[in-house]
Amino acid sequence: DAEITQSPRHKITETGRQVTLACHQTWNHNNMFWYRQDLGHGLRLIHYSYGVQDTNKGEVSDGYSVSRSNTEDLPLTLESAASSQTSVYFCASSPGVLYHEQFFGPGTRLTVL
Amino acid sequence: AQSVTQPDIHITVSEGASLELRCNYSYGATPYLFWYVQSPGQGLQLLLKYFSGDTLVQGIKGFEAEFKRSQSSFNLRKPSVHWSDAAEYFCAVGAASGTYKYIFGTGTRLKVLA
Repeated sequence: DAEITQSPRHKITETGRQVTLACHQTWNHNNMFWYRQDLGHGLRLIHYSYGVQDTNKGEVSDGYSVSRSNTEDLPLTLESAASSQTSVYFCASSPGVLYHEQFFGPGTRLTVL
Repeated sequence: AQSVTQPDIHITVSEGASLELRCNYSYGATPYLFWYVQSPGQGLQLLLKYFSGDTLVQGIKGFEAEFKRSQSSFNLRKPSVHWSDAAEYFCAVGAASGTYKYIFGTGTRLKVLA
C-alpha cells in the first residue's frame, strides 16, 4: 500500500546543531508539504514543493530549508536548531489536482535543548 | 487573506450525546473545505471534504458537515458520540485559485465522558 513515512519519530538535539527530518512518500504525488504543530497555533506551513526542483516558503520558514531532488522525498533541514523550533513536525503530500486532500505522515517530535 | 477560525479550543460531551464543532472561514471566492481528525500521537486523517454540490457532506465514522456560504461556516456534526471519538479536530480551507496549500484552524480538542 502507498504511504507516507517520517523519520525519526522522535529526536532530541542541542541548540546550534543541524538537524534533518526525513519524509518519504510512495504515492507518487507531485505536492509535498512540511508543517509544524504547536499548542494554540494548529498547523503552520513551513515549506512546500510542487515538484522536483521546486521549493517554496510557507508562513514560518525562517531557520528551515528543504530540497526536492526526486518525487518521493522532501527532507526538512534545521540549519542551526533553536529552542523555539521544539515542536511536532508533519509531512504531507497530495497529487497535483485541485480540491484533493493532503495525506499526512505520523509526525516527528523534535526537542531542542 | 484566507483564514480559518475554530472558536472552541476544548469541548466535552457525554458518550451518546450529539456533537457540533464550529468552523468559520474567511475567503473571497468559493473555498474548498476539509475536516481532519488527529488521535493522540498520530497524524491527521481526513474525515470529509467539500468543494461544490450538495452543501451537506457525509464523511467517515458517522460524521457530517454543512457548508453555509451566508455564514461562512463549515460545522462538523455527529448525532451520537462514541468514546473513541476523543481526539483533536482540525478544519482547513484551500483556495480554488490554483494553489494546493491549506490554511488550518487551531483545532478543537474533544473529550468524551463515559
